[in-house]
Amino acid sequence: QQQVKQSPQSLIVQKGGISIINCAYENTAFDYFPWYQQFPGKGPALLIAIRPDVSEKKEGRFTISFNKSAKQFSLHIMDSQPGDSATYFCAASSGSARQLTFGSGTQLTVLP
Amino acid sequence: EAGVTQFPSHSVIEKGQTVTLRCDPISGHDNLYWYRRVMGKEIKFLLHFVKESKQDESGMPNNRFLAERTGGTYSTLKVQPAELEDSGVYFCASSRIKARQGNGNYGYTFGSGTRLTVV
Repeated sequence: QQQVKQSPQSLIVQKGGISIINCAYENTAFDYFPWYQQFPGKGPALLIAIRPDVSEKKEGRFTISFNKSAKQFSLHIMDSQPGDSATYFCAASSGSARQLTFGSGTQLTVLP
Repeated sequence: EAGVTQFPSHSVIEKGQTVTLRCDPISGHDNLYWYRRVMGKEIKFLLHFVKESKQDESGMPNNRFLAERTGGTYSTLKVQPAELEDSGVYFCASSRIKARQGNGNYGYTFGSGTRLTVV
């Protein structure tokens, strides 16, 4: 049973457009929701993260929107650039466990 | 500081053979994690070491997988005998953080992974 469901599996966006990736979770004990960015041949790297006590967090062109009642969170990439082309993973963890529970990943392609 | 190093970067073995993956964490990082991504699916937790002790091995799929971290430095993950379904990318991550930071972050740094193909 997948605890964090991520969609879409792949996404193609024109340069300058908005990329939106969605995740939904089941475990209400989750209290930390990071997004990881992975380039080919590299490991995942922390991009941005949110705690459930806020509904939105913005860092540059990257924004996380969080809906606690719906148990959903999303990543918005504004003004998408070809350099943003990568695989994006949402994840979650709870205070009682150190491991991260990941979504299945979204392969983002930003066309020049 | 040097990052998390994993090798080999790629390994192709036949079903039934043995493969050993190695991870060198960042120096001083007591916490070491193994994760695996089977093609197109989520990255799944395998186990967590604190120094040389296994803190949590709840994600290990079966007894064909053996992880060790002798001396609390580098770690190895052995698969014996390998099966077709073991194919995937194996990631190692390390962290210095003992307790969770206020922002929830455990300070993971991932290695580039080992792509294992069992044929």
